[in-house]
Amino acid sequence: GEDVEQSLFLSVREGDSSVINCTYTDSSSTYLYWYKQEPGAGLQLLTYIFSNMDMKQDQRLTVLLNKKDKHLSLRIADTQTGDSAIYFCAESEGYSTLTFGKGTMLLVSP
Amino acid sequence: EAGVTQFPSHSVIEKGQTVTLRCDPISGHDNLYWYRRVMGKEIKFLLHFVKESKQDESGMPNNRFLAERTGGTYSTLKVQPAELEDSGVYFCASSQAGLEQFFGPGTRLTVL
Repeated sequence: GEDVEQSLFLSVREGDSSVINCTYTDSSSTYLYWYKQEPGAGLQLLTYIFSNMDMKQDQRLTVLLNKKDKHLSLRIADTQTGDSAIYFCAESEGYSTLTFGKGTMLLVSP
Repeated sequence: EAGVTQFPSHSVIEKGQTVTLRCDPISGHDNLYWYRRVMGKEIKFLLHFVKESKQDESGMPNNRFLAERTGGTYSTLKVQPAELEDSGVYFCASSQAGLEQFFGPGTRLTVL
């Protein structure tokens, strides 16, 4: 199976909350990340969480980590049309190479 | 400060030809990474340079791929000869000693 799995597509209305889910298999992961890719651009690091944390909040973004189930989620509050992008979940062991999921395309409609 | 740049943005070649992709990392970043996303699949690690040395090349698919980073500045990734399955988007990223890898916009390679 794949190391990092994500649902491929999510559609929400502007103003709603979006929740993007990810599962991973590597129990030695120390950092888990959410990257955002807008059309024609590179990947932008949105936020990350250390594996001994269970939650991290940064403005409209909330990351939840269930280490027992190896489940990571990204919640975007008050989703805007500018949030439409592909969101990649990734993990690493320390400061090293990243293992990514396939990405979740988020479409926000007015 | 300029971000990570990649050239070309898009390359279309025929099977059997050679293509060279270039990445200019953020100035002063010792770590340089190459990743690849094949259509519909996850982004996969190819290799990692620390300055001019290959720290980890375990992700390189086969010996048709050659990466260099002469002088520890920019890096090139050559594919010779290109095959159909090499089509995808090739990303470069750089980092200093810290956690965050800064990504370039990618080069979209299409092999016909």
